Amino acid sequence: QITLKESGPTLVKPTQTLTLTCTFSGFSLSTSGVGVGWIRQPPGKALEWLALIYWDDDKRYSPSLKSRLTITKDTSKNQVVLTMTNMDPVDTATYYCAHSYPGSYFDLWGRGTLVTVSS
Amino acid sequence: VIWMTQSPSLLSASTGDRVTISCRMSQGISSYLAWYQQKPGKAPELLIYAASTLQSGVPSRFSGSGSGTDFTLTISCLQSEDFATYYCQQYYSFPWTFGQGTKVEIK
Repeated sequence: QITLKESGPTLVKPTQTLTLTCTFSGFSLSTSGVGVGWIRQPPGKALEWLALIYWDDDKRYSPSLKSRLTITKDTSKNQVVLTMTNMDPVDTATYYCAHSYPGSYFDLWGRGTLVTVSS
Repeated sequence: VIWMTQSPSLLSASTGDRVTISCRMSQGISSYLAWYQQKPGKAPELLIYAASTLQSGVPSRFSGSGSGTDFTLTISCLQSEDFATYYCQQYYSFPWTFGQGTKVEIK
C-alpha cells in the first residue's frame, strides 16, 4: 500500500525559505519509472504543479518558480524534500506531494499540508 | 507551456443527470491527459488517465474521451458522492499543467 505524507512548518514569514518533506512508503524511488511530485493549491483556487523528481534524479520545475525551487530525494529515508526560497503571502497554499508512475500522472497523493505566509 | 481551458467552471446538476466537462489544450497532447476529483478538504484523486482509461476502483459511470486538443469527462448518472470539483491535467510535456477546475454542485 502506497502512502505519502507531507510535513513542514505551517507558518512562515515573508522572505523566509520553506522546506517541506514528503515521507512515503510502499514504493522505492530507486525503481525505474517512479517519480514524486509537488503540487500546491491556494485556498479556493486551482491546483498548480511545482516540481517532480524521478528515480534517476532527473528533476523538473515549473518555469515560473524555477529560480526559487529545489527538489531532492533521499532514497534511503524514502523522502523527497522541496525547498522554496523568498516566500511571499501569495505562496499561502496547501502543498501536496504525489506518486507518479510510470513518470506521468499522479496516481496517489498525500493529504497535503497548509502553509501560511504571514508576518 | 501548454495552456488548458476547462469548462464550465461551475455546473449545477441533479442526482441522476448526465454531465460532461470539457478540457481544451492550446496544442495537441495525444492522449496524455488525466482527470481528478477533489472533495472539500481532501486531496485530489485520480479518476482517469491516458484520456480514457479508468483508474482501478473508479465507478464505471465515469468515462473519458478525446485526443489531441479536445477532451471530455462524462458522468453518466450523477450520484450524491460525485458532487465535487474536477480537474484535468496534461502530462504530455513539461511543465505539467492543470485545468482551472469544474465545480459540480447540487441544482
